[in-house]
Amino acid sequence: DAKTTQPTSMDCAEGRAANLPCNHSTISGNEYVYWYRQIHSQGPQYIIHGLKNNETNEMASLIITEDRKSSTLILPHATLRDTAVYYCIVRADNYGQNFVFGPGTRLSVLP
Amino acid sequence: DGGITQSPKYLFRKEGQNVTLSCEQNLNHDAMYWYRQDPGQGLRLIYYSQIVNDFQKGDIAEGYSVSREKKESFPLTVTSAQKNPTAFYLCASSTTGLRNQPQHFGDGTRLSIL
Repeated sequence: DAKTTQPTSMDCAEGRAANLPCNHSTISGNEYVYWYRQIHSQGPQYIIHGLKNNETNEMASLIITEDRKSSTLILPHATLRDTAVYYCIVRADNYGQNFVFGPGTRLSVLP
Repeated sequence: DGGITQSPKYLFRKEGQNVTLSCEQNLNHDAMYWYRQDPGQGLRLIYYSQIVNDFQKGDIAEGYSVSREKKESFPLTVTSAQKNPTAFYLCASSTTGLRNQPQHFGDGTRLSIL
């Protein structure tokens, strides 16, 4: 079972920041938080991951709370092409641990 | 460009037939994975391989088989024993040197039963 809880769906206005929350209250000390997104009929696309520090790359920012029980993915200027299902996953840093994808959050970016 | 190639994009199978889905990667990744996705649901792990000539069952391996004869290739066979094979199949790969590295996915094969 997925170890994360995400809202089923969210809307965001084009050009505004999209903030996608994820709860992972049972996260262990060696588990990373990963974010992927999936556009219809395509494979999941890796976005970003982190352990405890906030992370930023060219796609998004990841904010992890100090207790690590929740995180937020931020798309700073959402475009229509960001409409997708976004998955938050926690995974331990060891071999044999695989990604468990829950149902994710369906983000709709509206014009 | 480096990436993961899955073929075919769409595949149709008759009842009782085995079919093989192709997955090739040129990322020099050691580990490869097969997932199944049903409509409106997340991904479920079928098989994975951390190294050539070795593979492990995932959560839903029944009715499927794999081989890993080359680092670049990890074909999945959907056998006639798989009673509900209609789904979207995704292949992924990752490095194993740094254990927190993400998996990278192909664009999937959609399998349907005629």
